[in-house]
Amino acid sequence: AQRVTQPEKLLSVFKGAPVELKCNYSYSGSPELFWYVQYSRQRLQLLLRHISRESIKGFTADLNKGETSFHLKKPFAQEEDSAMYYCALLYNQGGKLIFGQGTELSVKP
Amino acid sequence: DGGITQSPKYLFRKEGQNVTLSCEQNLNHDAMYWYRQDPGQGLRLIYYSQIVNDFQKGDIAEGYSVSREKKESFPLTVTSAQKNPTAFYLCASQGGRTGANVLTFGAGSRLTVL
Repeated sequence: AQRVTQPEKLLSVFKGAPVELKCNYSYSGSPELFWYVQYSRQRLQLLLRHISRESIKGFTADLNKGETSFHLKKPFAQEEDSAMYYCALLYNQGGKLIFGQGTELSVKP
Repeated sequence: DGGITQSPKYLFRKEGQNVTLSCEQNLNHDAMYWYRQDPGQGLRLIYYSQIVNDFQKGDIAEGYSVSREKKESFPLTVTSAQKNPTAFYLCASQGGRTGANVLTFGAGSRLTVL
């Protein structure tokens, strides 16, 4: 069955420290993966998607099919990065998008 | 101002009552979705609709119903059969300039059953 797992409920780091939010997926087909972010009092919004291969707000994520992972990384965390982050997997092209449990990132000054 | 509007923002319901959450979009998107967000469980898909007059069950459809009579509207009814309805409900749409397969979310509706 298709599944997305984010093992950490809460990740707390100091400003300037590197950040890695973990995401593992299970899917037998060719996956399309996303990271969505929800800042305090704001709507859930797309952060980045693997097919774009871009860096957004200093974040990058590489799809590793061998390890079935799509970890989100940033070399130097900022306080404004504090938010809830969700990894998501699209399967059934044009259809269902399933989300992980979410990881709350807290960046302390 | 284009986007997705969910109403009401907060809703209280007595046990045994049905309640309908509204979701309207003016993005001209074909697909619309309803998710339920619970702490520690992420977002779970309730129903989705890829085209007018058609919709499919998601992973937790029991106790919920939807309709898609217009492209712009995808209301969700939480029925009395839903055993644990207190939650935050998110509506989303997909399509157009936001890019294929990218969801645009509403601000959400928080339902509390008293």
